[in-house]
Amino acid sequence: AQSVTQLGSHVSVSEGALVLLRCNYSSSVPPYLFWYVQYPNQGLQLLLKYTSAATLVKGINDFEAEFKKSETSFHLTKPSAHMSDAAEYFCAVSDFQGAQKLVFGQGTRLTINP
Amino acid sequence: DTAVSQTPKYLVTQMGNDKSIKCEQNLGHDTMYWYKQDSKKFLKIMFSYNNKELIINETVPNRFSPKSPDKAHLNLHINSLELGDSAVYFCASSQEGRAETQYFGPGTRLLVL
Repeated sequence: AQSVTQLGSHVSVSEGALVLLRCNYSSSVPPYLFWYVQYPNQGLQLLLKYTSAATLVKGINDFEAEFKKSETSFHLTKPSAHMSDAAEYFCAVSDFQGAQKLVFGQGTRLTINP
Repeated sequence: DTAVSQTPKYLVTQMGNDKSIKCEQNLGHDTMYWYKQDSKKFLKIMFSYNNKELIINETVPNRFSPKSPDKAHLNLHINSLELGDSAVYFCASSQEGRAETQYFGPGTRLLVL
C-alpha cells in the first residue's frame, strides 16, 4: 500500500528565506506524487504534481519539488518565502483502485515570520 | 465561477440527528470524492464515485451514505450523528485516472454537540 510521511508538522521561516518541506513516500508501483496547499478555512489547491515526466517539477507561486527515487523523496521548496505562503501543506501519493485514491501525509504547517 | 461547491459551509447539530451535505461540480468531471479532515488536519478519503457508481468505500460506518443523482452531484447523508463525526468534510472532483488533479470544495465544518 502507498503511504506518505511528512517530516515536521510545523515549519517556521523568515520572510525571504528558503522554504523546505519534506515528504517521503512508500509505493509498490512507480509513484504519482502531489503537493497541495490549504489556506485557512479553505479547501485544498494543487501546487504541483509528479507524473513520471521530469523529476524537477515547477508549480504555482514559485514552488518546485524534486522527485528522487533513490531517496524515495519529493521535497517541496521555494527560494524566498512570502507572508502569503503561510498555510498547511500536504504531500500525497496516488493509488488507483477503480478510481484515483489520494493518500495524504499528515500535513506541515508553514509559518512565515516578518 | 465556483468549480466545486458545498452546502452548507457550517453545520452545528445535536448527537443522534441526521444531516446531509451537498456537493456540486461544474467542471465536467467523471469522478467525485468525499474526504474527512479531523481536528489534527489529517485527510482521509471516505468515498469515490465515478459516473454515479460507487467505486471506493473506505470502511466508513454505514451511518454515512453517499448519493450521486448525476455525475455533477455527490451528496453525503449522515444518520445518527456521533461526537466523533465532528470534522471538516471536503468534496472533490477529477477526471478519471491516477495522475489527475483533484479539485476540492471549500469544506463543510460539522460540529456535533
